[in-house]
Amino acid sequence: TQLLEQSPQFLSIQEGENLTVYCNSSSVFSSLQWYRQEPGEGPVLLVTVVTGGEVKKLKRLTFQFGDARKDSSLHITAAQPGDTGLYLCAGASLVTNAGKSTFGDGTTLTVKP
Amino acid sequence: EAGVAQSPRYKIIEKRQSVAFWCNPISGHATLYWYQQILGQGPKLLIQFQNNGVVDDSQLPKDRFSAERLKGVDSTLKIQPAKLEDSAVYLCASSLGGVAGGTQFFGPGTRLTVL
Repeated sequence: TQLLEQSPQFLSIQEGENLTVYCNSSSVFSSLQWYRQEPGEGPVLLVTVVTGGEVKKLKRLTFQFGDARKDSSLHITAAQPGDTGLYLCAGASLVTNAGKSTFGDGTTLTVKP
Repeated sequence: EAGVAQSPRYKIIEKRQSVAFWCNPISGHATLYWYQQILGQGPKLLIQFQNNGVVDDSQLPKDRFSAERLKGVDSTLKIQPAKLEDSAVYLCASSLGGVAGGTQFFGPGTRLTVL
């Protein structure tokens, strides 16, 4: 079973602060996705990373895939209240089932105005 | 483009009762997923369909859960009989499928409360 551990579990910060959340595993993934989920809604895909060492930027969000493709981080610069939500990472493996993603338990982020 | 539709949005039942959830995926998406998300946890895959065939149902509690995707479009997930621990949000997702799987698009989920 491929497990993804996310940290921290909860994070509460003030508007304008920077933050980093982590997604770690002992397994190698062919791709890793980051999602944001708001209350009462399904997860929405933010980004997919596929290459070891890859860095992707989405406005104030920076995503990095570890060189060994076992871990990833999400960095948010100058957080805003609209960034509040549950951030989930999910990994997929071509070895087992390319269409199957294993999810971590997420980081709940609260950005206070 | 219409997203993934799910109904009902909320359901409250007593333990040992039966319940069914419905999902309409994005048009043209071959792969359909049902996930269970317990409060405070990430989504856990219950079953994955490719068209109307089952690809993965290894984590589906088959003694009480069943799912079907007739004609490879809509899908229903049924629980019979329900237990207290089945209280969760049931998410449906769809993707184009293919070798790499494709991006999964999620519906809003059905929140089930078992009393």
